[in-house]
Amino acid sequence: EAGVTQFPSHSVIEKGQTVTLRCDPISGHDNLYWYRRVMGKEIKFLLHFVKESKQDESGMPNNRFLAERTGGTYSTLKVQPAELEDSGVYFCASSPHRTVGNTGELFFGEGSRLTVL
Amino acid sequence: AQTVTQSQPEMSVQEAETVTLSCTYDTSESNYYLFWYKQPPSRQMILVIRQEAYKQQNATENRFSVNFQKAAKSFSLKISDSQLGDTAMYFCALKRAGSYQLTFGKGTKLSVIP
Repeated sequence: EAGVTQFPSHSVIEKGQTVTLRCDPISGHDNLYWYRRVMGKEIKFLLHFVKESKQDESGMPNNRFLAERTGGTYSTLKVQPAELEDSGVYFCASSPHRTVGNTGELFFGEGSRLTVL
Repeated sequence: AQTVTQSQPEMSVQEAETVTLSCTYDTSESNYYLFWYKQPPSRQMILVIRQEAYKQQNATENRFSVNFQKAAKSFSLKISDSQLGDTAMYFCALKRAGSYQLTFGKGTKLSVIP
């Protein structure tokens, strides 16, 4: 069974440009999450999809970030226009069901490293 | 608000030796879960071990075990008989029951030296 895959693995762009990160969750996983780790900081929650619906986007930094999940399958995270402080590693994770009442293991991708110059 | 603190940014251990990674946390919840995740270089982050807060017995997974001190809000990870493949970033994480969000620490970079 394929794991969570993310593309690109590394992207280098200039301030003001646009970048789109893609995540393919494990097949059949309804829940998809985006997290971000800025260098030297904690991994922070960005948002959570259940199928194609945004369940919680309270962690999105600002309106330069736009996440979508077309048809409840793969997800994209667009940053437009990118700023220097957006640099970091963006992790995608998926899980097969709501974690209510259970231990809630998440399955992570390798992450997409974004460098904004 | 929940917080997770990992006070050791980097650690190293000789192959076959034992190492302990520290993690403290703060939460007002009475029911929660604690996790250790590891991310090897250029690989996916995977779950190492989990602990339910309502369980007094410390979780164990092969060479990995935890020392869960609920009153002290401490959750350390012990790796016995360290292997080269244990070289990775280790993240401590907390999740309250009924939630889907993980709160992570900053991570500890562990290097296993041959």
